[in-house]
Amino acid sequence: EAGVTQFPSHSVIEKGQTVTLRCDPISGHDNLYWYRRVMGKEIKFLLHFVKESKQDESGMPNNRFLAERTGGTYSTLKVQPAELEDSGVYFCASSQDQGGDEQYFGPGTRLTVT
Amino acid sequence: TQLLEQSPQFLSIQEGENLTVYCNSSSVFSSLQWYRQEPGEGPVLLVTVVTGGEVKKLKRLTFQFGDARKDSSLHITAAQPGDTGLYLCAGLYSSASKIIFGSGTRLSIRP
Repeated sequence: EAGVTQFPSHSVIEKGQTVTLRCDPISGHDNLYWYRRVMGKEIKFLLHFVKESKQDESGMPNNRFLAERTGGTYSTLKVQPAELEDSGVYFCASSQDQGGDEQYFGPGTRLTVT
Repeated sequence: TQLLEQSPQFLSIQEGENLTVYCNSSSVFSSLQWYRQEPGEGPVLLVTVVTGGEVKKLKRLTFQFGDARKDSSLHITAAQPGDTGLYLCAGLYSSASKIIFGSGTRLSIRP
């Protein structure tokens, strides 16, 4: 069974540009999560989808971030316009059920904003 | 303000030694998890502890959940170079699915 995949693995963009990150969850997993780790900090929750609906978006830092999951399969996270402080590693995770069900993490996308 | 404090942040020991990593919080969690992360990969779940005072063993790794469900420890016996990596503790509340991560402990085992 394929794990959670993320694309791209690395992205380097200039401040003010737009970047879109993609996450493909494990097939059949209704729950999809986005997390990120910025330099020197802990991994922090961004948001949680159940199928195509946003269950919890309390961790989204501001309105420059837009997450979508049309059709309840893969998800995209767009940053527009990117700022220097958005640099970090963005992780996606998926789980079959909510609550304490195990979340499986992808390898992450390393975003560098220059 | 960090909800979960891990100590130490870095630890370098000789192969064969024992070590303990601590995870402390002022919050009560419904469960606590430990993850291991290797370079270029996402965190991988090692264990989930749910009951206060619970102890779980995974080969040479022993995990304990504090009685008050605010803290946890990870003890590794006879560390091996393959144990090298970033160890993360994480807490979950029963009312939400999001994981609250600690800052991590970077462990290096010298042959």
